[in-house]
Amino acid sequence: GAGVSQTPSNKVTEKGKYVELRCDPISGHTALYWYRQSLGQGPEFLIYFQGTGAADDSGLPNDRFFAVRPEGSVSTLKIQRTERGDSAVYLCASSLTAVRHSPLHFGNGTRLTVT
Amino acid sequence: AQRVTQPEKLLSVFKGAPVELKCNYSYSGSPELFWYVQYSRQRLQLLLRHISRESIKGFTADLNKGETSFHLKKPFAQEEDSAMYYCALSNAGGTSYGKLTFGQGTILTVHP
Repeated sequence: GAGVSQTPSNKVTEKGKYVELRCDPISGHTALYWYRQSLGQGPEFLIYFQGTGAADDSGLPNDRFFAVRPEGSVSTLKIQRTERGDSAVYLCASSLTAVRHSPLHFGNGTRLTVT
Repeated sequence: AQRVTQPEKLLSVFKGAPVELKCNYSYSGSPELFWYVQYSRQRLQLLLRHISRESIKGFTADLNKGETSFHLKKPFAQEEDSAMYYCALSNAGGTSYGKLTFGQGTILTVHP
């Protein structure tokens, strides 16, 4: 089947605007993760869902960032009042479960540019 | 706090030469270590993990708890190995297995 799908692939927005980034995980995967990758850095963990609930949101940088997964499948990462420092590639990954031996499958990412 | 360090941002070798990508970590619990790879215009994908003790595409990595290292090695590099490589760490005993801490990555270039 298809892998993890992220849309849009690129998003350019003005400072102060609101954006939504979408992730469609592999069918049947219960765990879903969001990472952020700034230029020249490795991916940094933001939040992960087990089913519909956010099991760990310790990586969200501030309260402008929020994510949902209402039906336990598709997830949306929402960023309010965007700042230039939010510019990065946002990666989504899913896995069959969140426990051991369940490797992550990454999407291609959404490149967000805040002007 | 957990940390993964990849000291080399860039590594260049010639085809057929041995290659070693270094990774050191700091973690107080029971870690699980991985190597992820991203080829040009492709998505990030798992290369290998220390619990599997397997060789993927000729690459191996041994977890050295005494030196807190997990270096990636291949005896004879190929041009198709050129890619970005990330070392990553997870809490093996936790329930958030996919909550990874990544290093900054090493760009490997294999010259013909």
